[in-house]
Amino acid sequence: TQLLEQSPQFLSIQEGENLTVYCNSSSVFSSLQWYRQEPGEGPVLLVTVVTGGEVKKLKRLTFQFGDARKDSSLHITAAQPGDTGLYLCAGEDSNYQLIWGAGTKLIIKP
Amino acid sequence: ETGVTQSPTHLIKTRGQQVTLRCSSQSGHNTVSWYQQALGQGPQFIFQYYREEENGRGNFPPRFSGLQFPNYSSELNVNALELDDSALYLCASSSLGPGTDTQYFGPGTRLTVL
Repeated sequence: TQLLEQSPQFLSIQEGENLTVYCNSSSVFSSLQWYRQEPGEGPVLLVTVVTGGEVKKLKRLTFQFGDARKDSSLHITAAQPGDTGLYLCAGEDSNYQLIWGAGTKLIIKP
Repeated sequence: ETGVTQSPTHLIKTRGQQVTLRCSSQSGHNTVSWYQQALGQGPQFIFQYYREEENGRGNFPPRFSGLQFPNYSSELNVNALELDDSALYLCASSSLGPGTDTQYFGPGTRLTVL
């Protein structure tokens, strides 16, 4: 059974601080996606990483896919209250299905 | 272009009852995937429909069944409801077939089983 473990499960920091969220697995994924979900809504795709070692930047968010395509990280620089939400990673397996992590609940305090 | 819509938004049922949840896919999309998201957890894949046929199923019992219609909208049916079925049920649509495009999620249906 493929599993994706996210850490930390919960993070509460002050506005302006930096943070990193991790997504780890013992399995290889063809691609890995990061989503953000707000209460009462479905997840919204932030980025897809495909190539081992790939780094993608989305404004203050930096996403990295591990060289072996088993792990990924999301780094947020100078966090803002608007970044508050549930961050989910999901890996695409060989059957094109998404395997999801349990999420990191992020709270940015003003 | 309309997004993915789901109905109803909230639903309360009792154990043993049956429920049907509905999803309208985004215009131009032919693939719908259903997920169950328990409180504090990530989504769990239930099944996927591609051009009206089931294309992959997760680890859910047969009392979870589905349909996709010619207009690519979809239904999720759950029979003999159990307390553990209480969750947010999400559908996601995509185009060009499985694994080839971004999935767009609806807002979900919150099911409570008492």
